[in-house]
Amino acid sequence: GAVVSQHPSRVICKSGTSVKIECRSLDFQATTMFWYRQFPKKSLMLMATSNEGSKATYEQGVEKDKFLINHASLTLSTLTVTSAHPEDSSFYICSGSAGPGETQYFGPGTRLLVL
Amino acid sequence: KQEVTQIPAALSVPEGENLVLNCSFTDSAIYNLQWFRQDPGKGLTSLLLIQSSQREQTSGRLNASLDKSSGRSTLYIAASQPGDSATYLCAFTDKLIFGTGTRLQVFP
Repeated sequence: GAVVSQHPSRVICKSGTSVKIECRSLDFQATTMFWYRQFPKKSLMLMATSNEGSKATYEQGVEKDKFLINHASLTLSTLTVTSAHPEDSSFYICSGSAGPGETQYFGPGTRLLVL
Repeated sequence: KQEVTQIPAALSVPEGENLVLNCSFTDSAIYNLQWFRQDPGKGLTSLLLIQSSQREQTSGRLNASLDKSSGRSTLYIAASQPGDSATYLCAFTDKLIFGTGTRLQVFP
């Protein structure tokens, strides 16, 4: 199957700083990328959907000014957690899809710890 | 290595039927299992989460059960509606292992 990578795999930052997470589709063009967050009970919740060249669509309850998403190319989407706080500590996972109805391929995730 | 199979792969039913979607797994030492629905071009929508210590969860017309001894989880959809048409995925989200999916179509 297709491969999606995330960088970094793990990041620790101080409260108040911003952190950028990259999601790359390595061997396919991801017209749509999705960002998920994994919560303590291990449930996976969709945060936002981004289409290349367009503004991201955020799920209800997700602050768009807090979680900035950019999908500037068909192989790269970034999630920036701005002014991070300890409650933002979580596991963030992206996925990419080549188009509507196509399979989503998931990245390995990024563990964020905000001190 | 955990293998997750969903049966049937596709299902087409008339509105009003009660449905059972199956998810089978090979490793009984599971942690948490989550059921999702996926609409074309959309991200996964969480339906139900069953923690490893639980046996079932219910939300509206949906009921999911988990039987670790038999390596199976089932998603029961009562009184199906055309709006239920989607692909349904089971997943072990702590390992990011997803099932093969069941494509459901409910026609009026």
